[in-house]
Amino acid sequence: QSVLTQPPSASGTPGQRVTISCSGSSSNIGSNTVNWYQQLPGTAPKLLIYSNNQRPSGVPDRFSGSKSGTSASLAISGLQSEDEADYYCAAWDDSLNKGVFGGGTKLTVL
Amino acid sequence: EVQLVESGGGVVQPGGSLRLSCAASGFTFSSYAMTWVRQAPGKGLEWVSSISGSGGSTYYADSVKGRFTISRDNSKNTLYLQMNSLRAEDTAVYYCAKEPAMATLHFDYWGQGTLVTVSS
Repeated sequence: QSVLTQPPSASGTPGQRVTISCSGSSSNIGSNTVNWYQQLPGTAPKLLIYSNNQRPSGVPDRFSGSKSGTSASLAISGLQSEDEADYYCAAWDDSLNKGVFGGGTKLTVL
Repeated sequence: EVQLVESGGGVVQPGGSLRLSCAASGFTFSSYAMTWVRQAPGKGLEWVSSISGSGGSTYYADSVKGRFTISRDNSKNTLYLQMNSLRAEDTAVYYCAKEPAMATLHFDYWGQGTLVTVSS
């Protein structure tokens, strides 16, 4: 069981908007920033969103992040076939004194 | 250009040891925290261990504490993970990642990973 909870799967059709949730607690998301990673099949993870809602250079503005209380969300608008990947949220946990990832969400573009 | 290149993976028997290395280039290595993250076959990402830029602070996942040791040689721009008493459940691809600020899980660059297989 992951400390951060994500839905195992999500799907959408090209052009749609999809959101992926990440639920935690006061000791992780509630008190620290959230980061999101995209992992395409057979490749290393790639930073998608950092500090809750910041996009690294090169990441399309179709990707956005938000945080409220002990939950965070990743939104992908204008869904494209190349967005089909696994997505992970991550944060530091002050109580456990360690890093924690969500279990990952597999996004399918129908 | 930032590059992280892991090496040292392979097949090892249960109870054995391995040392992973991560050679860094393209940035001032000593100024940044570094982290090891692993991914078991078909599974999600798992944070393993982090070390501060100076090497003075380290953190470990409970699953590896007492068996794994993270270290760095800033003169060689290299991060290490000494893995002892290996178990089947340690089988995974191990990634090193650069962390702009310690204990944030914000990894702006990742290596390509090195596979560790623990099997008899």
